Amino acid sequence: NAGVTQTPKFRVLKTGQSMTLLCAQDMNHEYMYWYRQDPGMGLRLIHYSVGAGITDQGEVPNGYNVSRSTTEDFPLRLLSAAPSQTSVYFCATKGWGASSYEQYFGPGTRLTVT
Amino acid sequence: AQKVTQAQTEISVVEKEDVTLDCVYETRDTTYYLFWYKQPPSGELVFLIRRNSFDEQNEISGRYSWNFQKSTSSFNFTITASQVVDSAVYFCALSEAQTSYDKVIFGPGTSLSVIP
Repeated sequence: NAGVTQTPKFRVLKTGQSMTLLCAQDMNHEYMYWYRQDPGMGLRLIHYSVGAGITDQGEVPNGYNVSRSTTEDFPLRLLSAAPSQTSVYFCATKGWGASSYEQYFGPGTRLTVT
Repeated sequence: AQKVTQAQTEISVVEKEDVTLDCVYETRDTTYYLFWYKQPPSGELVFLIRRNSFDEQNEISGRYSWNFQKSTSSFNFTITASQVVDSAVYFCALSEAQTSYDKVIFGPGTSLSVIP
């Protein structure tokens, strides 16, 4: 039972390049989230999904795309990387129902855009 | 306006001291959930506790305790007899009925350093 996995762990991009951050879960959770973490800012929600085929924007969606074709996977795409997207990215999941209000996080991806 | 405020950006204590991390939240919902997460230097985020708005009982788990007071919209976290392994960033978070609990709002975090 791997929980929530993220790949890659680290990545350096040049401005203008594109890339996809992968997130996979084996917890059979309906909800999945992408956050970015910057110093002093806590965690800010980029996009989230309440189930396969359904996605919605969070607080800071600009420059990012997501899709959710399966329950297990929720990739985050950077279309044209900018230095402002240098951050640590966390994927999280949440179950559905009365006992599932907390989120479970992946180990994070540290992205640097030069 | 920030919905979850953690006014203490950084705290340093000497090992074995007690320390309280403050969390003040803002919501119009009568039903909501509050959480604490720990982020040690290794970087992962670890869930510590969930508390719903109808349960104001304090909770104790080993050296950790949580004080929830609706009257002051606070959900404070106390570590008793701190240890070096408690050094981490701690996040308080809020989930509201108005968003069907779909979203969790995190505070900016408090960085705790426990000095041996």
